[in-house]
Amino acid sequence: AIQLTQSPSSLSASVGDRVTITCRASQDVSNALVWYQQKPGKPPKFLIYDASSLESGVPSRFSGSGSGTDFTLTISSLQSEDFATYYCQQFNDYPLSFGGGTKVEI
Amino acid sequence: EVQLVESGGNIIQPGRSLRLSCTGSGFKFGDFGMSWVRQAPGKGLEWVGFIRAESYGGTTEYAASVQGRFTISRDDSKSIVYLQMSGLQTEDTGVYYCTTDRAYSSSWFDNWGQGTLVTVSS
Repeated sequence: AIQLTQSPSSLSASVGDRVTITCRASQDVSNALVWYQQKPGKPPKFLIYDASSLESGVPSRFSGSGSGTDFTLTISSLQSEDFATYYCQQFNDYPLSFGGGTKVEI
Repeated sequence: EVQLVESGGNIIQPGRSLRLSCTGSGFKFGDFGMSWVRQAPGKGLEWVGFIRAESYGGTTEYAASVQGRFTISRDDSKSIVYLQMSGLQTEDTGVYYCTTDRAYSSSWFDNWGQGTLVTVSS
């Protein structure tokens, strides 16, 4: 099974900061990686697919990059509504798997 | 607008069985694969399993942690996907979400229900 390791597990940031979250896969997943945002008590929100394609309606301050085993999610200028937990997920092979999450706090 | 509504969550003793349902609306249900994803309290997300569209045989894939205990099925005439859970363990406690998926191969989850809580406890 493919393991996804996110780092950091949590971070503190301020409005306007540039934030980068890393997701490392235990084996090559090509570009079969997506990102979600989750706020407490809510289901996840789909942000980015195929490692770098922005889902419709997602603000352009979010971007994704990477391929193979190393991926990043970047928020170019953090807004108050971006404080949440972020997850990566691979769909290159079954079983599908998620990273452990990165909590972005004030 | 795509809507997914899960139901059936409950407090249940270890070893017992429970069936969750997810009713979809606002989209052509039969054209989509459907997945279940769960989240233990205060923990991350875990993919549970996937059912293909009937046009691809309605076959299923499961996480190793639930293989042989959980079964996903669908009734396209009612736009419902089910998660039959048996031999429940305390580790199965969590919120269970259903999601839309691609017809043949599970990929990403762009539509989620609000989830239903399953608590396995004696």
